[in-house]
Amino acid sequence: DIQMTQSPSSLSASLGDKVTINCRASQSIGNYLNWYQMKLGKAPKLLIYAASSLLSGVPSRFSGSGSGTDFTLTISSLQPEDFAVYYCQQSSSSPPTFGGGTKVET
Amino acid sequence: EVQLVESGGGLVQPGGSLRLSCTASGFFFKVYKMSWVRQAPGKGLEWVANIKQEGSEMYYVDSVKGRFTISRDNAKNSVYLQMNSLRVDDTAVYYCTRVDLWFGTYDGFDLWGQGTTVTVSS
Repeated sequence: DIQMTQSPSSLSASLGDKVTINCRASQSIGNYLNWYQMKLGKAPKLLIYAASSLLSGVPSRFSGSGSGTDFTLTISSLQPEDFAVYYCQQSSSSPPTFGGGTKVET
Repeated sequence: EVQLVESGGGLVQPGGSLRLSCTASGFFFKVYKMSWVRQAPGKGLEWVANIKQEGSEMYYVDSVKGRFTISRDNAKNSVYLQMNSLRVDDTAVYYCTRVDLWFGTYDGFDLWGQGTTVTVSS
């Protein structure tokens, strides 16, 4: 199975900050990488697929980059509704696997 | 409204069984592959199983193979997870998810239910 490692596991940020979350795959996954946002008590939400494609309706302050083994999720200007846990997930091979999550907190 | 609604969670003793259900609405259910993803307390997300559109192919994470069975009824817009021989480490919130496909090759879990809680404890 492909292991996904996220860093940092948590970060503290303020409104308006630029936030960067990293995700590393244990082997090359091309750009088969998705990013999700998860808030307590709410259904997880897919933000980005294919490493850099924004799902319709997701604010443009979110962006993704990378290919191969190293990927990044960037929030250009943190908004109050962005405090959440973010997960990366590879869809290159079965089983699909997730990173351990990054908690963005104030 | 496009949504997935899970039901069937609860408290069960080790070795017991539960059947989770997920009902879809607001979209053409039969054209989507469906999955179950779980989150154990204090842990990250773990894919559990998926089923193709016609229900002819199912896949499972190794830890549930032989114990869990995913199925679907396209006439009822529903997907199910039959969980047998439950273990304490199956305790989790179980999410029903829709799998979408982009550019014919990239897939992801693009719609999630609110989750149903399964607690395995004596």
